[in-house]
Amino acid sequence: KQEVTQIPAALSVPEGENLVLNCSFTDSAIYNLQWFRQDPGKGLTSLLLIQSSQREQTSGRLNASLDKSSGRSTLYIAASQPGDSATYLCAVVTGGGNKLTFGTGTQLKVEL
Amino acid sequence: GAGVSQSPSNKVTEKGKDVELRCDPISGHTALYWYRQSLGQGLEFLIYFQGNSAPDKSGLPSDRFSAERTGGSVSTLTIQRTQQEDSAVYLCASSLEVVNTEAFFGQGTRLTVV
Repeated sequence: KQEVTQIPAALSVPEGENLVLNCSFTDSAIYNLQWFRQDPGKGLTSLLLIQSSQREQTSGRLNASLDKSSGRSTLYIAASQPGDSATYLCAVVTGGGNKLTFGTGTQLKVEL
Repeated sequence: GAGVSQSPSNKVTEKGKDVELRCDPISGHTALYWYRQSLGQGLEFLIYFQGNSAPDKSGLPSDRFSAERTGGSVSTLTIQRTQQEDSAVYLCASSLEVVNTEAFFGQGTRLTVV
């Protein structure tokens, strides 16, 4: 059974700092990995999708990498801003149907 | 529509009552998913649809839960005889295909059973 772990569970950084969020998964036979952000009381916003054949994806200040063989992904956020404060979730698709298995998330707070 | 739409956004119901949650996916998306997010359990898969059929219902917690999708579009998740442990946020997502495509989520329905 696929298990997804995210470290750290919570993180507080000053504005402007670069930071890395970590995601690991136990079954490396994934189809893709997706990073989401969730604001309090809201749904999930898709940030980046990495296919299993890809090593990284970039969108603006965000860069996600994937090392499928070791079961790891990182989300790099450059020059963090208070508006980046949210919970970040990674999720993987293992098997058919495009079903997502989620990690427990990293709660990020960027302080002025 | 522009995004995945869910209604109601909030629902408070008495224990034992039935509730219906609605999801309107992005137009043209073949696949539709229901997830549940509860304290201490994280996000868990419930059921997904490909068109109007549900190939995988393995996440439905009990036979009190059912879902249907009509016209390859709108889906309803029905919970019969609600219990307090059903209290959670129910999230719907859709994707263009059931293979290897990005999932887009709605804002969720927060269900509180009192």
